[in-house]
Amino acid sequence: ILNVEQSPQSLHVQEGDSTNFTCSFPSSNFYALHWYRWETAKSPEALFVMTLNGDEKKKGRISATLNTKEGYSYLYIKGSQPEDSATYLCAAGGNQFYFGTGTSLTVIP
Amino acid sequence: ETGVTQTPRHLVMGMTNKKSLKCEQHLGHNAMYWYKQSAKKPLELMFVYNFKEQTENNSVPSRFSPECPNSSHLFLHLHTLQPEDSALYLCASSQDREDYGYTFGSGTRLTVV
Repeated sequence: ILNVEQSPQSLHVQEGDSTNFTCSFPSSNFYALHWYRWETAKSPEALFVMTLNGDEKKKGRISATLNTKEGYSYLYIKGSQPEDSATYLCAAGGNQFYFGTGTSLTVIP
Repeated sequence: ETGVTQTPRHLVMGMTNKKSLKCEQHLGHNAMYWYKQSAKKPLELMFVYNFKEQTENNSVPSRFSPECPNSSHLFLHLHTLQPEDSALYLCASSQDREDYGYTFGSGTRLTVV
């Protein structure tokens, strides 16, 4: 079992603020890391799939970095908007993926 | 809609009932998964099917029985469940297990009374 941890557990930011959160995982037996965005009453939606150390991916105002040697990934949101409010999940693994408990983001208008 | 459809969306069942959850995808994905989400816990992988063959079974109690008749359909048969089995059950599919993200359904909210 891979212990995937996310922090913080929840976050409240003002509209327009930039924010970031962390996903930590054991660096051994690592193959890939996924980030998902999960809005209430909807399906988790894949944001990024990352495999290479030093990888950096971007989708609009959201970006992510990956450090496989030290076992962490950061997710950044620039200029948060109310529609960014969701739970952000990461999953890490190889043959099997293990999820963290997520970071719940609330963007206050 | 994400392309992965789960039915029903909500289910209430007694401990002696038998029911089935259904998942369907027409994305051409070759792997399908059942996940369980209990309150305050991470998503837990239950079963994996790759090209209709079960490849993972994470010590799930036998009261949960998966079935994958073809690469587009996945079922989870439930019988003699316990109240602690109440949870959100999510189905997902992927093209390849490692290199692509998963496409999730909206889940079935199961309550065992």
